[in-house]
Amino acid sequence: EADIYQTPRYLVIGTGKKITLECSQTMGHDKMYWYQQDPGMELHLIHYSYGVNSTEKGDLSSESTVSRIRTEHFPLTLESARPSHTSQYLCASSESAPVAYEQFFGPGTRLTVL
Amino acid sequence: AQSVAQPEDQVNVAEGNPLTVKCTYSVSGNPYLFWYVQYPNRGLQFLLKYITGDNLVKGSYGFEAEFNKSQTSFHLKKPSALVSDSALYFCAVRVSGGATNKLIFGTGTLLAVQP
Repeated sequence: EADIYQTPRYLVIGTGKKITLECSQTMGHDKMYWYQQDPGMELHLIHYSYGVNSTEKGDLSSESTVSRIRTEHFPLTLESARPSHTSQYLCASSESAPVAYEQFFGPGTRLTVL
Repeated sequence: AQSVAQPEDQVNVAEGNPLTVKCTYSVSGNPYLFWYVQYPNRGLQFLLKYITGDNLVKGSYGFEAEFNKSQTSFHLKKPSALVSDSALYFCAVRVSGGATNKLIFGTGTLLAVQP
């Protein structure tokens, strides 16, 4: 079944640890996105990718980094987690423009940094 | 600058009554508009979109939205609300220009349907 997956769903970790949030999609979509959703529930785009080996920073500055070595995989890494990184992280994917295709979202990872 | 506004943080409605969740937008060029719903501890689920054509768009779970170009609005509606419709609703507009398919989201409206 075509879908988008995120692991882990919940992560509690101490300050200074390196973490990687996983995102995979089986829909063959070229474009993938990472959003940060703050406690006020607003969504902020932090990274996006046009395709393999193509990544760009989003509208909200983030200390995280991403990679896109395979079409289906778009992991997000924090080298040194801090309490300010506590948030919900949502991954999404979409087919290519120019038609305005909707984005499909994963279930999210809720990160808590102590 | 392109933007989306959801003027109501929360909408309360009784079960069985019609509901409306408001959204206005500001874009250059033709707007491509979307509605998403988010249940607790879940990602966003796509409800419907307006690209072109009929101003009344029908979507999932009995929801529909009306595109109004003169008022730059794209309000979400449902004729009869269910308790299970209680969730967070996001309006979004595609960023015009380029091929990224990036979306700008509104701040979200919490819909509470009372039994």
